[in-house]
Amino acid sequence: AQSVTQLGSHVSVSEGALVLLRCNYSSSVPPYLFWYVQYPNQGLQLLLKYTSAATLVKGINGFEAEFKKSETSFHLTKPSAHMSDAAEYFCAVSYNTNAGKSTFGDGTTLTVKP
Amino acid sequence: ETGVTQSPTHLIKTRGQQVTLRCSSQSGHNTVSWYQQALGQGPQFIFQYYREEENGRGNFPPRFSGLQFPNYSSELNVNALELDDSALYLCASSSGDRRNTGELFFGEGSRLTVL
Repeated sequence: AQSVTQLGSHVSVSEGALVLLRCNYSSSVPPYLFWYVQYPNQGLQLLLKYTSAATLVKGINGFEAEFKKSETSFHLTKPSAHMSDAAEYFCAVSYNTNAGKSTFGDGTTLTVKP
Repeated sequence: ETGVTQSPTHLIKTRGQQVTLRCSSQSGHNTVSWYQQALGQGPQFIFQYYREEENGRGNFPPRFSGLQFPNYSSELNVNALELDDSALYLCASSSGDRRNTGELFFGEGSRLTVL
């Protein structure tokens, strides 16, 4: 069984500030982990993925995430927030690269203040 | 390269009715997954189709059914609609073979309202 917990359903940061979105997972097997972004009235877009290679994963739009097995975490960060980063972010886990059967968290809405 | 397209984008049904949602997968992809996203929640896995066969199912009742066609497009059918079926239904395609990179490509969804 696998599950994802995203801590904080809403996060607000100022433009230029650090973005930190938290994700903790539970998986009975080595996980594959993903972060997706969803803009209003759109589908989800993959930001980055961890598939058992490097623990620090770099994605699109300047985002990165670090896989920490001891903490069962996969937090998403970006050094400097941009207004265009405002969106909903979802963390997901699957037990192999068949990401089509992923389990998603409930999402975190990121607001960026000018 | 054609992306994932879904139709219709919005629809309204009444309780007890049936609905069919359609999805065209991205060019070159043979796997389609369907998700239900209720308001304020993350997507929940309904089922996946790989080369026209169901390849895994989430915790959804049998009145949720699907099909995949030889061109890898897919349909999601929901019978005996209930109010709780109101949600955004997302289709995602991927490559289910050696080219699988673990990336899902999502359509923009079909928003179903059940009255």
